[in-house]
Amino acid sequence: GDSVTQMEGPVTLSEEAFLTINCTYTATGYPSLFWYVQYPGEGLQLLLKATKADDKGSNKGFEATYRKETTSFHLEKGSVQVSDSAVYFCALGLYNFNKFYFGSGTKLNVKP
Amino acid sequence: SQTIHQWPATLVQPVGSPLSLECTVEGTSNPNLYWYRQAAGRGLQLLFYSVGIGQISSEVPQNLSASRPQDRQFILSSKKLLLSDSGFYLCAWRVRGEQYFGPGTRLTVT
Repeated sequence: GDSVTQMEGPVTLSEEAFLTINCTYTATGYPSLFWYVQYPGEGLQLLLKATKADDKGSNKGFEATYRKETTSFHLEKGSVQVSDSAVYFCALGLYNFNKFYFGSGTKLNVKP
Repeated sequence: SQTIHQWPATLVQPVGSPLSLECTVEGTSNPNLYWYRQAAGRGLQLLFYSVGIGQISSEVPQNLSASRPQDRQFILSSKKLLLSDSGFYLCAWRVRGEQYFGPGTRLTVT
């Protein structure tokens, strides 16, 4: 069935370090892929998305490339800030379906 | 622009009491609506989704129910809360293949 697997956290980095959060998926059909961010006590915010193979989504310095050959959508940022501390969720959605599938979330802690 | 509202923001209820959480959407019509639950430190669990008035699909059998009495209103209910119902409840809606979330309701069952 359709599912998303992302790396377990927490991930702890120093400010200005490079970030990678791994995400792989299993899907029938042609999914769109998403990264959401959740700050403490808040709902989820859409961070970026990619709708087809080889698309790169980007926002606020974060990037992720839709890799169909490896069924992956890894999140990267070249230089993290303390304000990036949050929980990050990878997700897939199938347009003609009514469901979205979320990974279990990866908590990122950035230390000054 | 589209906006999604949830209330209350926080709620503390005793075991065995009823529950009603409300979600409303502005700025769109006939949205797909979703209820998720997030237990402490865990991922999102899809509880219900609705593609229209009176149409509810249940993903996880439990003591919760959902209703959609109006196009832009989605209600999550329980007749008797359990301790395990504690969590962060998120309403979401779908537009053009993307999902957007409300601010959530923090429920603590004591």
